[in-house]
Amino acid sequence: EDQVTQSPEALRLQEGESSSLNCSYTVSGLRGLFWYRQDPGKGPEFLFTLYSAGEEKEKERLKATLTKKESFLHITAPKPEDSATYLCAVQARTRATNKLIFGTGTLLAVQP
Amino acid sequence: DTAVSQTPKYLVTQMGNDKSIKCEQNLGHDTMYWYKQDSKKFLKIMFSYNNKELIINETVPNRFSPKSPDKAHLNLHINSLELGDSAVYFCASSQDLRGNYGYTFGSGTRLTVV
Repeated sequence: EDQVTQSPEALRLQEGESSSLNCSYTVSGLRGLFWYRQDPGKGPEFLFTLYSAGEEKEKERLKATLTKKESFLHITAPKPEDSATYLCAVQARTRATNKLIFGTGTLLAVQP
Repeated sequence: DTAVSQTPKYLVTQMGNDKSIKCEQNLGHDTMYWYKQDSKKFLKIMFSYNNKELIINETVPNRFSPKSPDKAHLNLHINSLELGDSAVYFCASSQDLRGNYGYTFGSGTRLTVV
């Protein structure tokens, strides 16, 4: 069964303290891995899509990497405005190629 | 503003009632979705439509009936509401079935069944 596991469930950082979030996945043929950010009371906001092992993408203080079994979201010198829940999702190579399977997210709190 | 908009934002209703949630996107996307987020923040797909055609029906009780009058609208009607239906329901859209450029989510409808 296709599955996504994110760790840690929650992470508290001081402003400027870099860290990484993990997304481990089991999928019958990965078509794409997605990272989203979700603020309280809002819908998920798209960050990145990664398609193949070794691929990396960056956006401001965020950098996403992909291996055959997991993805990391590296946060460099975070600021309080980076506080949010970060969601990972995979898309499998099935007939229903538009189905995203989500993890339960990592709640990130960055303190000034 | 270009966006995915859903109404209402909050919905409180009694068990056994029937309710609808509406969703509209003005992004010109072909594919629309309904996702359910439970109290543990787990997002799970319910339905997807592509150009008004049902693509995914993810073993959702048949009390839930989606309707897509055109490719810019996807509504969700729920009959005989149960306590376990309480959750946040998100509408989303993507450019096409593959979703290469990501999904755009609405801000959610928090449904509380009492």
